[in-house]
Amino acid sequence: RKEVEQDPGPFNVPEGATVAFNCTYSNSASQSFFWYRQDCRKEPKLLMSVYSSGNEDGRFTAQLNRASQYISLLIRDSKLSDSATYLCVVEGYNNNDMRFGAGTRLTVKP
Amino acid sequence: NAGVTQTPKFRVLKTGQSMTLLCAQDMNHEYMYWYRQDPGMGLRLIHYSVGEGTTAKGEVPDGYNVSRLKKQNFLLGLESAAPSQTSVYFCAARWGYEQYFGPGTRLTVT
Repeated sequence: RKEVEQDPGPFNVPEGATVAFNCTYSNSASQSFFWYRQDCRKEPKLLMSVYSSGNEDGRFTAQLNRASQYISLLIRDSKLSDSATYLCVVEGYNNNDMRFGAGTRLTVKP
Repeated sequence: NAGVTQTPKFRVLKTGQSMTLLCAQDMNHEYMYWYRQDPGMGLRLIHYSVGEGTTAKGEVPDGYNVSRLKKQNFLLGLESAAPSQTSVYFCAARWGYEQYFGPGTRLTVT
């Protein structure tokens, strides 16, 4: 089993739609969780951290479910500019490193 | 303030050749990482460093060596390149839990 698993997609949605991504992880001791965004042929950039209580940043909401070992990202009112690959990142067994999921590709269409 | 830079941006090697990838950061961060990204695999950690003069193995260290002689530089070496090392290589510097990535190096081994 991979340490971090994501649905690869692609998710193709119209502008204005709400879309949700899930990510499961295997290390029950992980304490830190993140979503990164990666545009085509570019480097990943931090989108948001994921806290136990959940957190929201504008149209983006991240949730953590420790019991089921998954995190989620909800994007409301999708924009064309949201088209990208979204990477789930989880603290590794050694807390000096992070483990990345393979990413979920989102395309928002007019 | 350039953040994290990588040299070179592109390279084609023949099997058995050697090369060094350079990562430089101007943010004075202690932690630095080298990843490779392959289609469908996400980012996989090759080696990392928690400070000047230190290095440690990640998930996929075989065939690579690293050095961190100066805090701002993290070098990744391939002693004898193999076609399986064809990939996009990303370097990152970390502050807290956020990783700042360089633009990547596209390496092809023929």
